[in-house]
Amino acid sequence: AQKVTQAQTEISVVEKEDVTLDCVYETRDTTYYLFWYKQPPSGELVFLIRRNSFDEQNEISGRYSWNFQKSTSSFNFTITASQVVDSAVYFCALSGTASGSRLTFGEGTQLTVNP
Amino acid sequence: NAGVTQTPKFQVLKTGQSMTLQCAQDMNHEYMSWYRQDPGMGLRLIHYSVGAGITDQGEVPNGYNVSRSTTEDFPLRLLSAAPSQTSVYFCASSYVLAGRTGELFFGEGSRLTVL
Repeated sequence: AQKVTQAQTEISVVEKEDVTLDCVYETRDTTYYLFWYKQPPSGELVFLIRRNSFDEQNEISGRYSWNFQKSTSSFNFTITASQVVDSAVYFCALSGTASGSRLTFGEGTQLTVNP
Repeated sequence: NAGVTQTPKFQVLKTGQSMTLQCAQDMNHEYMSWYRQDPGMGLRLIHYSVGAGITDQGEVPNGYNVSRSTTEDFPLRLLSAAPSQTSVYFCASSYVLAGRTGELFFGEGSRLTVL
């Protein structure tokens, strides 16, 4: 079985602070995908990134960066210089072949950025 | 470009009633799935399908039925609604590559209340 754990249920920061959202996963697959999604207060789910398990390079996109470490089964997400518009629930997810292509989500982290 | 379309967006049912949540995608995706989202519990997979004529159970399938007669459509049926099925339901679709699901494209969600 595959599992995704987001231990931080809620995080509150002040605008312009950096914040890291943790994601730890479990899978028996040797190849898999990892994802991050954002759910703003309006409720839609927005895809942020997909990472293949073969590619351990960190990724940066503007104020967002992702740190993938296979050795610790983690795929952490950092927002630099946070803004109020970053307030949302963030989900980490995993897709592997052992579970028949199902995408498994973590329970989400509620990020609140205060002005 | 419609993407994933869910209807209805809101529905109120009485206990014991049945209903169908409709989901259609126009991206020719093989993979389609239904999730429910409840406070503090993240997104839980109800049923999924990897192609027309193929469906399988997810994490919380009881009380729900699905079918996949075409690539485009994946309706979710509530057989006899119960208050525990009050939730927000998301339909999602994706391509499948080498046995692994790519990023999910989500519908806007359907908020269901069972009285």
